[in-house]
Amino acid sequence: NAGVTQTPKFRVLKTGQSMTLLCAQDMNHEYMYWYRQDPGMGLRLIHYSVGEGTTAKGEVPDGYNVSRLKKQNFLLGLESAAPSQTSVYFCASSWYAGGLDEQYFGPGTRLTVT
Amino acid sequence: AQRVTQPEKLLSVFKGAPVELKCNYSYSGSPELFWYVQYSRQRLQLLLRHISRESIKGFTADLNKGETSFHLKKPFAQEEDSAMYYCALNAGNMLTFGGGTRLMVKP
Repeated sequence: NAGVTQTPKFRVLKTGQSMTLLCAQDMNHEYMYWYRQDPGMGLRLIHYSVGEGTTAKGEVPDGYNVSRLKKQNFLLGLESAAPSQTSVYFCASSWYAGGLDEQYFGPGTRLTVT
Repeated sequence: AQRVTQPEKLLSVFKGAPVELKCNYSYSGSPELFWYVQYSRQRLQLLLRHISRESIKGFTADLNKGETSFHLKKPFAQEEDSAMYYCALNAGNMLTFGGGTRLMVKP
């Protein structure tokens, strides 16, 4: 099993450009999450999903949109990238909600917005 | 609102020395706390959770509700313990992470 995979691994965008990050999991998990990791700030939750077709806002949702059309995939979109969105993005999945179960993380996507 | 604080960004110790990574939290509900670890060039992974009361790789953590703390301890640090450690708090459907502490174990 591949676990949680993320595409792409690296990306450089110019301000105003758009892109979509793809997260895929093969563990049949109900819950999926998108985090951003910034130095000194740990991981902050952007959006999450409690099941196929559902999404919800996390701690820092502004400037991002998500979709969960298939249970195994969770997409994170940036419609108009800004330098403040330069970060490392992590996807995670779990059987149960939040901390009730272990979250399995992807390898991360390093995004730079110039 | 819930909050997790890890006061030390960097902790440097010699091999064989005791280690304590501090974690403090604020939460109005009943806390469920975790430690996650990220080794160099590896994914973030669960180290331990307080409800399991387990010892993983020699690490333990005790939840102290009076002091609202969940410090991670190991009596004798090893070089392979060098990593980034994150304390996390369950709040409903999501985890709230602390800022992380980088542990460096010197030979």
